[in-house]
Amino acid sequence: LAKTTQPISMDSYEGQEVNITCSHNNIATNDYITWYQQFPSQGPRFIIQGYKTKVTNEVASLFIPADRKSSTLSLPRVSLSDTAVYYCLVVPISSGSARQLTFGSGTQLTVLP
Amino acid sequence: DTGVSQDPRHKITKRGQNVTFRCDPISEHNRLYWYRQTLGQGPEFLTYFQNEAQLEKSRLLSDRFSAERPKGSFSTLEIQRTEQGDSAMYLCASSFPHFAEQYFGPGTRLTVT
Repeated sequence: LAKTTQPISMDSYEGQEVNITCSHNNIATNDYITWYQQFPSQGPRFIIQGYKTKVTNEVASLFIPADRKSSTLSLPRVSLSDTAVYYCLVVPISSGSARQLTFGSGTQLTVLP
Repeated sequence: DTGVSQDPRHKITKRGQNVTFRCDPISEHNRLYWYRQTLGQGPEFLTYFQNEAQLEKSRLLSDRFSAERPKGSFSTLEIQRTEQGDSAMYLCASSFPHFAEQYFGPGTRLTVT
């Protein structure tokens, strides 16, 4: 199983770009990298997924190096409303065990005015 | 269909009582997941269904927990003989037939007194 490691917390200021890195040294060939955002008392919200190189959508970018042993979630120009916990989750593409679906402790991002 | 819904949002029960939670997934999704989340931790996988078939359960899942998805639409999670350690947020999620890009409901917060 691909265990993930993230920083426990990060602080940033409004308008800055934030990069959160996740380490997943034993990622398997058929694993995808996904990121979720969670606000207090709400369920996690899917942000982005990727397999290799770079993926970008309307809210974030995901950078994955060639060895895929880490990934970086990039949030452009954060605002106060981006204060949340961010989880990196490595999942098998389709088949495989769902035991990997247990999230780690995540990264608490606090955006300051 | 605006998303995953869960009912009730909050449940307070006394130790030893049985409780049942309901989850209504996004209608187009054939996978449905149950997670448990305690304070300061990420969601922990409990079980998942593809259509009406329960495909996997966490090895940590007590036999006091049972889940059903009788017609491949909504699902119920029952906890028998509740214990104080069962106090947590119970999250439901749904997806197409892959583990990535899950959509979570708002959760049911269970308090066992």
